[in-house]
Amino acid sequence: DAKTTQPNSMESNEEEPVHLPCNHSTISGTDYIHWYRQLPSQGPEYVIHGLTSNVNNRMASLAIAEDRKSSTLILHRATLRDAAVYYCIPTGTASKLTFGTGTRLQVTL
Amino acid sequence: NAGVTQTPKFQVLKTGQSMTLQCAQDMNHNSMYWYRQDPGMGLRLIYYSASEGTTDKGEVPNGYNVSRLNKREFSLRLESAAPSQTSVYFCASRTGPRGVYGYTFGSGTRLTVV
Repeated sequence: DAKTTQPNSMESNEEEPVHLPCNHSTISGTDYIHWYRQLPSQGPEYVIHGLTSNVNNRMASLAIAEDRKSSTLILHRATLRDAAVYYCIPTGTASKLTFGTGTRLQVTL
Repeated sequence: NAGVTQTPKFQVLKTGQSMTLQCAQDMNHNSMYWYRQDPGMGLRLIYYSASEGTTDKGEVPNGYNVSRLNKREFSLRLESAAPSQTSVYFCASRTGPRGVYGYTFGSGTRLTVV
């Protein structure tokens, strides 16, 4: 499994964009980059994933570096409901998600 | 749109008691997983089933057994509960074994062993 490095915590003001970075320098060529988030007292929730190209969905955008050694999850306008722990997880053919400690995002008014 | 359903939501056991955690998904997913999450930590994989009829150990399988009853259901059994198994247990499923597809998680079972 590829090792990941994420900041322990980040803060954002409501309505501001948030860029959550992840370093995955040991990622293999076939690993997809998945992002999940976990709201307080809930199970993890799928956010987005990608392989090489940048990806957008209704929740967020994923920007993947050209060398694939890092990626950034972008929340375009953070709300209080986005306060959660965000996990960046390279996932390959072995199919198992391996969770690190993630980034705790705090959103303030 | 039930997704992944876990029962029970809460449970208190005495040391040495046994119990089975139930998980069912209604999305016709092939793969199912059991994770545990201890306070302040990330999730750790206990067991998984890549497809109906197969099960494999994850990172922390000791003290647990699993059964993939059919495509929908994947149960986790604690034969003799220990205080170290106090945790929140999450079941998850996905449609295929490769990295292409996202996982869907249940809301968790909070287990306390006294």
